[in-house]
Formats: sequence, C-alpha cells, structure tokens
Amino acid sequence: AQSVTQLGSHVSVSEGALVLLRCNYSSSVPPYLFWYVQYPYQGLQLLLKYTTGATLVKGINGFEAEFKKSETSFHLTKPSAHMSDAAEYFCAVSSPSGGSYIPTFGRGTSLIVHP
Amino acid sequence: EAQVTQNPRYLITVTGKKLTVTCSQNMNHEYMSWYRQDPGLGLRQIYYSMNVEVTDKGDVPEGYKVSRKEKRNFPLILESPSPNQTSLYFCASSLTGVEQPQHFGDGTRLSIL
Repeated sequence: AQSVTQLGSHVSVSEGALVLLRCNYSSSVPPYLFWYVQYPYQGLQLLLKYTTGATLVKGINGFEAEFKKSETSFHLTKPSAHMSDAAEYFCAVSSPSGGSYIPTFGRGTSLIVHP
Repeated sequence: EAQVTQNPRYLITVTGKKLTVTCSQNMNHEYMSWYRQDPGLGLRQIYYSMNVEVTDKGDVPEGYKVSRKEKRNFPLILESPSPNQTSLYFCASSLTGVEQPQHFGDGTRLSIL
C-alpha cells in the first residue's frame, strides 16, 4: 500500500524567505509524484510532477521539487516566497499495483506568507 | 478552454433525498474520478473510471454511485444522503490514468441536514 505524509499542517514564512514544504511517501513500486496547489474556493492545480528521469523537477510559479529515492522524499521548495503563494499544497503519489490505480494525497500543508 | 465542470457548486439538502452531482470534461480524457475533501484528511478518492463503462471503487465508496455512459460525463449519485456525506467534492480527469496529472473541477460543497 502506498501512503503520503506531509510534515506540518501549517507553514509560515515571511515574504522573500525560502519556502520548504515536506513530503515523504511510501510505495512498493517506483511511484509517480505530484504537487498540487489549491487556492480558496478553487480546485487543485498541478504545480509539478515527477515520473521518470531527472530527479529535480521544475514547476510553475518558481517552485521545484527533488525526488530522493533513498529518503523517499519529494520536498517542494521556492527560493523566495510571494504573498500570492499563500494557499494549500498537496503532495500526491500514484503507482500501479495489482490493477489498482488509486492515487493517494497527503493531508495538505497550508502556506502562510507574512508581509 | 480546457476544463472540468461540476454542477451544482453548492447544495444544501436533507437526509434521504436523492441527489446527483454532474461532472463533464471537454479534453477527451479517458480517466475520471471523484474525491471528497474533509478538513485534516486531504483528498480521498470515492470512485474512478478508466474509460466508458469501466468504473471501480476508490478508498471511500460507501453511500455513492457513479456511471460512465459517455466519455465526457461522470456523475456522482447519492441515493440516500446522510449527514456524514457533508463535504467538499471534486471531480477530476486525466488523459489516461494516474500517471498523468489530473485536472480538477472547482468543487461542489454539499451540506446534508
């Protein structure tokens, strides 16, 4: 069975500071990994994804994430936070297993950006 | 514009009164799914469909039904809604499956009294 753990339900940063949102996963087979962002009253939007190949993945709005197999992690970073980055962020893992295609989402991390 | 459209966006109803939430996508995606989002629990998948006439249970299917008679539509049916189904619901689609990123609708907030 696969699972996703997002450390910290809330992360608070100052505008201009580094953003680091943590995601650890477990999967019995090589997974596909995703980060989504959810703004208030909207659905989820894809930030970036890892399927195969380069382990450092760049996404939209200056975000990037690095797949570290040895640490089973896929942390999301952004060098400099902007007020518009305030939102809920979800890490998700998907892997085919026994004909099942159920993706698993983390519980989400709310990013708060202070002026 | 590529999009996933859900209706209604908001609904307040009473226990036991059958309701349907519609979902339609215009991207010719094969894979569609329904999720519910509850505070502190993230998103949990209710049902998914790999293609027309092919559906399967997700993590939390109890109390829900779906059908996939056409590629673009994937309605969620609550035959006898109960208060524990009060939640925010999202429909999503992707090209072929969960190895592809999913496109989400804007959500339907259901309140069952």
